[in-house]
Amino acid sequence: GENVEQHPSTLSVQEGDSAVIKCTYSDSASNYFPWYKQELGKRPQLIIDIRSNVGEKKDQRIAVTLNKTAKHFSLHITETQPEDSAVYFCAASRFSGGYNKLIFGAGTRLAVHP
Amino acid sequence: GAVVSQHPSRVICKSGTSVKIECRSLDFQATTMFWYRQFPKQSLMLMATSNEGSKATYEQGVEKDKFLINHASLTLSTLTVTSAHPEDSSFYICSAPTGGSNQPQHFGDGTRLSIL
Repeated sequence: GENVEQHPSTLSVQEGDSAVIKCTYSDSASNYFPWYKQELGKRPQLIIDIRSNVGEKKDQRIAVTLNKTAKHFSLHITETQPEDSAVYFCAASRFSGGYNKLIFGAGTRLAVHP
Repeated sequence: GAVVSQHPSRVICKSGTSVKIECRSLDFQATTMFWYRQFPKQSLMLMATSNEGSKATYEQGVEKDKFLINHASLTLSTLTVTSAHPEDSSFYICSAPTGGSNQPQHFGDGTRLSIL
């Protein structure tokens, strides 16, 4: 089955710096890669996703890149702000049996210091 | 606002009690919903896939007789933790794809279960 590895486990940056979180996946058939942000005690919120027919996607300060050959994808946050502090999870899935079954990485705890 | 509603948000009960958690899709139909468990400072672990009108599909290592799932309608899935014990204490959270099975999944607010 699918296995997703995520690095780093913790990341500390100064406000205004960029943050990069990397994930690798094992199932070459995976074709959907979402990123979720989870604040303490709250539900994960989808912040951006990418499908395998696209190499890069950007939404304001957030971008995701995908390298299908190497089976890795990354989240890039530019001009970080203290409110970006949270745990970020990557996930991988493929559409099979009528649905996407998400397998999550271990998470990255991002701290943005003023 | 939330498109997936989960209830209750918090449960504290004695060992041996059975606890039912509801997950509802708001303003959309979900033939498939997913149940996850999240221990403190850990990732979301998929427990099972809830299928409307048929049996749930459980992940390896998840006891189907312990975690009963019922998906009786296109907007409601329930997870019942039977005869709960302290080791079942965790954050249980559901998700559903909005706008169709191949669309992004959105999560409910989760249920924090504490078994004394």
